[in-house]
Amino acid sequence: DAGVTQSPTHLIKTRGQHVTLRCSPISGHKSVSWYQQVLGQGPQFIFQYYEKEERGRGNFPDRFSARQFPNYSSELNVNALLLGDSALYLCASSLPYPYEQYFGPGTRLTVT
Amino acid sequence: GQQLNQSPQSMFIQEGEDVSMNCTSSSIFNTWLWYKQDPGEGPVLLIALYKAGELTSNGRLTAQFGITRKDSFLNISASIPSDVGIYFCAGQAFSSGSARQLTFGSGTQLTVLP
Repeated sequence: DAGVTQSPTHLIKTRGQHVTLRCSPISGHKSVSWYQQVLGQGPQFIFQYYEKEERGRGNFPDRFSARQFPNYSSELNVNALLLGDSALYLCASSLPYPYEQYFGPGTRLTVT
Repeated sequence: GQQLNQSPQSMFIQEGEDVSMNCTSSSIFNTWLWYKQDPGEGPVLLIALYKAGELTSNGRLTAQFGITRKDSFLNISASIPSDVGIYFCAGQAFSSGSARQLTFGSGTQLTVLP
């Protein structure tokens, strides 16, 4: 079975631009979570969606938004990019139970 | 953002040696998870723990969910070169209808010397 897939793999943007990252969960998983991982740190929670509804939001500014589609895939949008948004963006999917989250390979975003 | 206290930050060990790392939190968690991350890749789930006091093994890996629900440890026995990577603990606290968000430790960088 295919794992969590993310696209694109790498992305270079300029400050002030907008970016959209995409995630497809493991087949049968209805929950998708997004995390930001800055170099040298553990991932930080951004959003979680379950059955197309937002279940939780981490401590990130309103420039970050997300949505989940009827096929349970998800998009993470970031507006007005800052240099500090440069990071590895990870998507994870899970079943309602057990509460294990499985991660994709991530999208490496570089803001110049 | 909040991160768990994970130690040690890095370890250099000889091939064949055993490794131990731990994670502590000021908050109670319902689930503890341990992940391994290789450079440029996403974290891979190694072990999941669901009950206080639970001891779970996965091959050469053994992890325990602390009795207080505020800590967990991971042991790797007889290390091999492919054990090299960054190991993360993650705690999950939730109530009905809430997000199942993970709070991660800062990671333990493991280097295995031949």
